[in-house]
Amino acid sequence: QQPVQSPQAVILREGEDAVINCSSSKALYSVHWYRQKHGEAPVFLMILLKGGEQKGHDKISASFNEKKQQSSLYLTASQLSYSGTYFCGTGQGGKLIFGQGTELSVKP
Amino acid sequence: DGGITQSPKYLFRKEGQNVTLSCEQNLNHDAMYWYRQDPGQGLRLIYYSQIVNDFQKGDIAEGYSVSREKKESFPLTVTSAQKNPTAFYLCASSILPGGPNNMNTEAFFGQGTRLTVV
Repeated sequence: QQPVQSPQAVILREGEDAVINCSSSKALYSVHWYRQKHGEAPVFLMILLKGGEQKGHDKISASFNEKKQQSSLYLTASQLSYSGTYFCGTGQGGKLIFGQGTELSVKP
Repeated sequence: DGGITQSPKYLFRKEGQNVTLSCEQNLNHDAMYWYRQDPGQGLRLIYYSQIVNDFQKGDIAEGYSVSREKKESFPLTVTSAQKNPTAFYLCASSILPGGPNNMNTEAFFGQGTRLTVV
């Protein structure tokens, strides 16, 4: 069962912040975050593990709430290069399952 | 340089023909995956494999087949039974995860193959 992402799309001005949420109906042990530019391969951003700390990658960070079975990706002071589709991924029975994606557009 | 290679980048086929998409990795990864991407539907898992000569169906395996005869190769065949084969196909690989639900290893993706069936 796919994790559910929200919002489906978001438009920002450069310098603004955004939050992308990922929730699952199943227990989560780890959450992946990837970014994909149009027509390209998804690029790994970070993994959050159960019991682990909040991770950061430049001005992109994420949290993982195991009890709520949710993860959130935080994009701070967005740059034009942040544009793309963001996917969260979770493990289910040996499979790596992705959400439907959140399309982020950063405008000048 | 280590990486994962998909070929070709673009592929055109006539309806009713089988077609095989190539995926090769030199990262020494045990796990390999095939995903299909359609607009607005994210990445949907077709097949995955964690060991040579073994593979499992994903969520949308109907109309597809795979083989894993070598650790570095995981080709996907789109058969004529697949009703809507036109899509962007992505192959990925990773170190074996820590457990069936604990996917604690990063997935590396190939550049994808865009298949168009006319």
